[in-house]
Amino acid sequence: QQPVQSPQAVILREGEDAVINCSSSKALYSVHWYRQKHGEAPVFLMILLKGGEQKGHEKISASFNEKKQQSSLYLTASQLSYSGTYFCGTEKVTGGTSYGKLTFGQGTILTVHP
Amino acid sequence: GAGVSQTPSNKVTEKGKYVELRCDPISGHTALYWYRQSLGQGPEFLIYFQGTGAADDSGLPNDRFFAVRPEGSVSTLKIQRTERGDSAVYLCASSLGTVIDYNEQFFGPGTRLTVL
Repeated sequence: QQPVQSPQAVILREGEDAVINCSSSKALYSVHWYRQKHGEAPVFLMILLKGGEQKGHEKISASFNEKKQQSSLYLTASQLSYSGTYFCGTEKVTGGTSYGKLTFGQGTILTVHP
Repeated sequence: GAGVSQTPSNKVTEKGKYVELRCDPISGHTALYWYRQSLGQGPEFLIYFQGTGAADDSGLPNDRFFAVRPEGSVSTLKIQRTERGDSAVYLCASSLGTVIDYNEQFFGPGTRLTVL
């Protein structure tokens, strides 16, 4: 089942902050965040694992609430280059080894204006 | 170093034809994923390879879709008897394939398939 992202779209002025949320009805092993610009490949931003480990770009921060199966991506002091569509991809807890089978949300369109 | 590459970047075909889409992963990446992305949607998982074997093909929509990775590097997604509903961007991603790297996936630019 697809995770639900909110909001669907955000418009910011340069320097403003934004939070994008991702919610799943399934028990999650990990949450992956990507940004995709029009006509380009998704670019990795952050991975958050059950248990608290995470890996990502220095300027990006995110959280993962395991009890609620929710993740939030925090974009601070936004820049024009932050514009794009943000996707969360979730990996369910399974009995076997994790291998990164992701189910993506529908995306959040972020537009940053000068 | 070189990223994930996909060819062709665009493919236009007629309904009923056969197509092949190619993915060249990052050197040394043992895990390879195929996704399909429709306009305004997130990528949809199709199939996952670990090495040469398809470890999970549960996302392939039907038996018209098939993928191979014979030498554990380049992969080809094959679609038989294409239908208009197959039109989408087909994305390939690769990762090191070890739990240690958290399965961070690097995506290619995609192949835009249009079935007329």
